[in-house]
Amino acid sequence: EADIYQTPRYLVIGTGKKITLECSQTMGHDKMYWYQQDPGMELHLIHYSYGVNSTEKGDLSSESTVSRIRTEHFPLTLESARPSHTSQYLCASSESLDRGRSYEQYFGPGTRLTVT
Amino acid sequence: QQQVKQSPQSLIVQKGGIPIINCAYENTAFDYFPWYQQFPGKGPALLIAIRPDVSEKKEGRFTISFNKSAKQFSLHIMDSQPGDSATYFCAASEENAGGTSYGKLTFGQGTILTVHP
Repeated sequence: EADIYQTPRYLVIGTGKKITLECSQTMGHDKMYWYQQDPGMELHLIHYSYGVNSTEKGDLSSESTVSRIRTEHFPLTLESARPSHTSQYLCASSESLDRGRSYEQYFGPGTRLTVT
Repeated sequence: QQQVKQSPQSLIVQKGGIPIINCAYENTAFDYFPWYQQFPGKGPALLIAIRPDVSEKKEGRFTISFNKSAKQFSLHIMDSQPGDSATYFCAASEENAGGTSYGKLTFGQGTILTVHP
């Protein structure tokens, strides 16, 4: 069982509100990721981090922002939520081997966000 | 092109059947091909993975077949069980690309598998 946690699991919020989705892992992994999962199932990478103070945008453009101040913590923030942000957000982490080869990505249970 | 195309979108088999899920990719730099399994309300979990130096990998009832020249790989589930009912995702990444691209997974569109008792 992977030790990666996401809170809240479900969130219903009104348009214009600021929200932060929390993600924490206790495995000491240096790489962390945020994915957006459409209702039609496909996962899209929106942010990733290779370590503290390192963040990059993913393949899918997102209005959200992330920070990586501590190894174990990778929160995602939406400054002003809109109905188009309604989706499932999945956090993942992985360890790195030398020469860039990675171990598997461990996923959290996800946060289902609904913006009304 | 980073796209990974997965088919079919959904699949229904009887218990004991052998569902096969296929994926095709275009980026020849991909060198790591995992399959993830996702149950409702859960995050995906790694099922099995293959690197392009082998054409087949088997773990229990799950087998990946890999065709490097065709840029295709597939998942076979032997003796499928109702407990295998889940969504399956193929993925690919450039593990040895270096820089900031390694470790990023590109996922297929997913296949909903239903195994009837």
